[in-house]
Order: sequence, then C-alpha cells, then structure tokens
Amino acid sequence: DTAVSQTPKYLVTQMGNDKSIKCEQNLGHDTMYWYKQDSKKFLKIMFSYNNKELIINETVPNRFSPKSPDKAHLNLHINSLELGDSAVYFCASSRYGLAGETQETQYFGPGTRLLVL
Amino acid sequence: ILNVEQSPQSLHVQEGDSTNFTCSFPSSNFYALHWYRWETAKSPEALFVMTLNGDEKKKGRISATLNTKEGYSYLYIKGSQPEDSATYLCALPYMDSNYQLIWGAGTKLIIKP
Repeated sequence: DTAVSQTPKYLVTQMGNDKSIKCEQNLGHDTMYWYKQDSKKFLKIMFSYNNKELIINETVPNRFSPKSPDKAHLNLHINSLELGDSAVYFCASSRYGLAGETQETQYFGPGTRLLVL
Repeated sequence: ILNVEQSPQSLHVQEGDSTNFTCSFPSSNFYALHWYRWETAKSPEALFVMTLNGDEKKKGRISATLNTKEGYSYLYIKGSQPEDSATYLCALPYMDSNYQLIWGAGTKLIIKP
C-alpha cells in the first residue's frame, strides 16, 4: 500500500488555468505538507496542516490554496497558473508537526511534475 | 533564517570506494538533524535523525556523525554500490513561529561501475 500518494503524477496546462493536485496519506499522521522543488532543486515548504488547521503558510502567492477535507487529505489548488509555477510539487506527512516533535520523520509522496505552457 | 549548507554539490565515486560528505549548520539553537536519501524519479526517504552531540547512526553501509558544537554532520558510505547513487539531503528544524524543516541543496552522489 502506498503511504503517501499524489495525483496526478504529471500535469501539463496552459497559463491562466486553474488546477488542483491531490494528496492522500494512509499512515494516520496528524500533519501534512506541501513542498515545491524550485529551479535550484531546493525543497521549499509551502504549507502544512495539522488536524485540519493551517500551521505554516510561507510567502507563497495567494493563488495557491491548500484544502484539507479530512486528516488524510491535503489538496493543493492553484488559480491563474503562471509560467513560473512550473516545478515539482511534493506532498508529505508526519505523525506530529515540528511544534510537537523536532525528530519527526516526514514521508513524501512521489511528486507532481507541473508544466505551465 | 537557518542556513543549511551541503558539500560537495556532487560527487563521482568508483564502485567499491568509500566516500563521505558534509552538512553544515549554525551551532546555536540546534534541535535535530535529519538525513534523507533521494533517488532520481523517486521521493525523499528518511535515513537518520540525530539529536545529540557525538551521535553516530548506522544503517548497513551508511553511517552518520554529528557535531553540534561546531555545526556539522558527516555522512559516510562504505564500499559504494551503484544503488547508492542518489541525492543526499540534510534538513534541520527551524523553530520560529512556523516550525519548518530547512533543507540543504543536497549532495548528488554518482557511483561509477
């Protein structure tokens, strides 16, 4: 069974479109994250949710909005896609958030490769 | 914000040779250090979490040491194999109001047969 899954794996779309990326974890974890792998290959945190409450909100454009229907899901919705949004987006989860435990391991999904044309 | 540096950026190693690389970080306000392994076209996977100065962790041929006083951790691979080819990332918690992991850029290890 896949622990953290993301769909779609690849997403090619036109500038200006709205798209969503879905993430699900079956580990029973309390905290889920969205990361963006930037052009220099750094992993940058975008959002995290702990028990359906947003606890990290980095300085990302407000075109990006995380939506968590329940503890096992954290979807990423992107409005008005721009060329610069092209990147690989990773979902991850951990049992607790860092506020509760700095040693918590994060489990990553396979990534969604977004290409905006 | 926390500055996490890894060196070298990339490393070519002959199969069978041993190698090591470094993660450097500010020694103040240290909480923990995480090592992850990231194979191409896959997702990062946790290797070790280290918290105490002088800690040494081992998993098979891979081991890591931690020096919190001088702000570095070494990752060692003994007798490199092709399956060790990956990017090795370190990450440290940054405990401001956002509580996030700050990631290094990684060391890309390529094992030559």
